[in-house]
Amino acid sequence: NAGVTQTPKFQVLKTGQSMTLQCAQDMNHNSMYWYRQDPGMGLRLIYYSASEGTTDKGEVPNGYNVSRLNKREFSLRLESAAPSQTSVYFCASSEQGGYTFGSGTRLTVV
Amino acid sequence: AQSVTQLGSHVSVSEGALVLLRCNYSSSVPPYLFWYVQYPNQGLQLLLKYTTGATLVKGINGFEAEFKKSETSFHLTKPSAHMSDAAEYFCAVNSGAAGNKLTFGGGTRVLVKP
Repeated sequence: NAGVTQTPKFQVLKTGQSMTLQCAQDMNHNSMYWYRQDPGMGLRLIYYSASEGTTDKGEVPNGYNVSRLNKREFSLRLESAAPSQTSVYFCASSEQGGYTFGSGTRLTVV
Repeated sequence: AQSVTQLGSHVSVSEGALVLLRCNYSSSVPPYLFWYVQYPNQGLQLLLKYTTGATLVKGINGFEAEFKKSETSFHLTKPSAHMSDAAEYFCAVNSGAAGNKLTFGGGTRVLVKP
């Protein structure tokens, strides 16, 4: 089925470890996004990519980096994980006002 | 800048009663508005969206929302709650800025009592 695929679904990291969250879409959308979801705060934008070859900071970019590898793939990297980065991470893609979300990655940093 | 405020982080309704979830937004230009639902341990599912045209928008599962520009509101309603409506609901706005970013409200968790 067409959509947005995120890997992994669950991850536990130790403080200071690094990891990359992967996201791929097969809908030929130009724009892709990374959000984090925390209780009572809704979803907050970390980084986005309006088109292949561009990336921009969102509301909460500190501690994260992104790579728009090609039109399909948009990865999120935590270089040195901190407990404050414990969250659920969602990737999304969009085209002409329609948005599709992945199923999320639940990350715990201990 | 765009922002979204959802009044009430938790709402409790009886089965069969009206569901009303409030959403107010701020946007410097006519916005696109969305309601999403999230069931426990799942991703976001689009309930409905307003882009242009008719201000009363009907969505899935019997939900509807009305765009009121003068009140900068986009409240979500369902006439009769069902147990399966227990979930968290998010209002979101896209004001068409660079990147077509969605800005979300804090969410409202709905509990349905039998």
